[in-house]
Amino acid sequence: DAGVIQSPRHEVTEMGQEVTLRCKLISGHNSLFWYRQTMMRGLELLIYFNNNVPIDDSGMPEDRFSAKMPNASFSTLKIQPSEPRDSAVYFCASTTYLNTGELFFGEGSRLTVL
Amino acid sequence: DQQVKQNSPSLSVQEGRISILNCDYTNSMFDYFLWYKKYPAEGPTFLISISSIKDKNEDGRFTVFLNKSAKHLSLHIVPSQPGDSAVYFCAARSTSGTYKYIFGTGTRLKVLA
Repeated sequence: DAGVIQSPRHEVTEMGQEVTLRCKLISGHNSLFWYRQTMMRGLELLIYFNNNVPIDDSGMPEDRFSAKMPNASFSTLKIQPSEPRDSAVYFCASTTYLNTGELFFGEGSRLTVL
Repeated sequence: DQQVKQNSPSLSVQEGRISILNCDYTNSMFDYFLWYKKYPAEGPTFLISISSIKDKNEDGRFTVFLNKSAKHLSLHIVPSQPGDSAVYFCAARSTSGTYKYIFGTGTRLKVLA
């Protein structure tokens, strides 16, 4: 039971294009986190929401990055305009109302910017 | 600044032996520590955790040790199996305000048959 569904799984785009990554939460999840995985930094926290409200976006690398959570089960991470250095795997993760302490991850969206 | 550090990018261990993965942290506000395992093309999956009020937690072949005075965490896998080959991430949960999870850079474990 992943509880977190990400799309697209793979995205290849050209520099300058807008990219939108999506995350859907199965019911029972509350906080939502966006991470980026790179070789140099491992899993880097970009932004997180609690009850749909952005709590900390200090990890967002630049103004080109934005994230929204319009309702309790859906979030988007947008990059506009995209650059080759944004190429990475982006993960969405969440906690549950049971507060077991675990973070549940989606399978990730692999972004390649040419 | 990297609040959670995994200083060994990779580790190779013979099947049947013990694997020890290490993690250091700098923030005393962390209340909960977790280990995640990641296979290629998959999301990280939860492996084992420990509360800051404990110093050891065991689950089958996996044991996590916490040394608060040294701000050090370790994961022991014994005996190691080829299926344990993966990237392991250490994570810490911050208690300042709402919960925030900080991850290390990961250690790639290879268990040799």
